[in-house]
Amino acid sequence: QLQVQEAGPGLVKPSETLSLTCTVSGDSISNTLYFWGWIRQPPGKGLEWIASIFYSGRTYYNPSLRSRLTMSVDTSRNQFSLKLSSVTAADTAAYYCARHSSNWTQGYFDYWGQGTLVTVSS
Amino acid sequence: QLVVTQSPSASASLGASVKLTCTLSSGHSTYAIAWHQQQPEKGPRYLMKLNSDGSHIKGDGIPDRFSGSSSGAERYLTISSLQSEDEADYYCQTWGTGIQVFGAGTKVTVL
Repeated sequence: QLQVQEAGPGLVKPSETLSLTCTVSGDSISNTLYFWGWIRQPPGKGLEWIASIFYSGRTYYNPSLRSRLTMSVDTSRNQFSLKLSSVTAADTAAYYCARHSSNWTQGYFDYWGQGTLVTVSS
Repeated sequence: QLVVTQSPSASASLGASVKLTCTLSSGHSTYAIAWHQQQPEKGPRYLMKLNSDGSHIKGDGIPDRFSGSSSGAERYLTISSLQSEDEADYYCQTWGTGIQVFGAGTKVTVL
């Protein structure tokens, strides 16, 4: 059974860089069938896709966040990571990692993590 | 622009049925969508992928009470025999190459 688990700092100061890691178990992150993604949810609001990455490093970013985003993958640790720079209070959210097919005709997220809450505050 | 639209809320009595709607934007009526459930204080859970012809692929362990159907640009999720644990937010999701889009969610209240 696939599991994905987020890890993050909990609290980040404004203007700093938020770093998150997702650890995958039950499958190899190098599985060519899948992309690995990040989605966030501000308190009391809906879901927003952030970015997706393939094991090779191929990435797709939400255009509204692209300029502040960097995603990477570590196949040796079966992890992928997200960095979001110049954070503000608007970046306060629960951050989820999830999996979707590398076949974009089947691009739905089928496994989700439990999420990690990140608060941006001084 | 690829957009999916959901009604903000729906309600039905315990044991009854409720039907949620997800509407695809103009020009995208043939797109598939996925439904996800988010119970209070939990992460989302994949329910099903729903195609334009109404065929669907459910996630592991999703009860038969959850079913999907389609008509034109509308995609539906019907929850039958409502139970208290079905009180949750339900999100539809669609996608294109290199892009993922979520609806704003529908809050289901079990009366």
